[in-house]
Amino acid sequence: DGGITQSPKYLFRKEGQNVTLSCEQNLNHDAMYWYRQDPGQGLRLIYYSQIVNDFQKGDIAEGYSVSREKKESFPLTVTSAQKNPTAFYLCASSIRGSEAFFGQGTRLTVV
Amino acid sequence: GEDVEQSLFLSVREGDSSVINCTYTDSSSTYLYWYKQEPGAGLQLLTYIFSNMDMKQDQRLTVLLNKKDKHLSLRIADTQTGDSAIYFCAESMSYQKVTFGTGTKLQVIP
Repeated sequence: DGGITQSPKYLFRKEGQNVTLSCEQNLNHDAMYWYRQDPGQGLRLIYYSQIVNDFQKGDIAEGYSVSREKKESFPLTVTSAQKNPTAFYLCASSIRGSEAFFGQGTRLTVV
Repeated sequence: GEDVEQSLFLSVREGDSSVINCTYTDSSSTYLYWYKQEPGAGLQLLTYIFSNMDMKQDQRLTVLLNKKDKHLSLRIADTQTGDSAIYFCAESMSYQKVTFGTGTKLQVIP
């Protein structure tokens, strides 16, 4: 079945560590997105990519990095520079400008 | 830049209609969407409307678009407890990124 998969579902990070969240899609979508969701808040765009080997910063890119080496994959690294990384992270993909399909999310907790 | 706004919370009684409102700023928006998010899960697309339409109905869901006022609404008829969730409005132009609103938490009281 076609879809978008995020892993892991839950992730724990020690302070000062980098962690990478995985996002894979087999929908043949050009565009992929990473959002952060905090409790009681909406989605904030971290990074997005419209095409392979290209990506743009969203509204809250500081402390995060991404790569887009393959169409299917858009991993997000939460670096130690991100001071408040505990949140729910959502990955999405779309045909450019069309509806976005979401993964089930990764809940990251700093311990 | 694009901006999409929603009220944060709505409470309705089971069986009543729910109306969730959204305003957006980008008059070039081509597509407008409604997504539903259940606790701890990703977002699911409920319905969408093209900017050249005024209304779209899909079973219990009715979407109304007032392009002049840049106002979008989602009406859920005969609201059920299973409709309790966060509802996000979103907009995009052709070949541009999707911009989401802050989400409206719908609470359905039995």
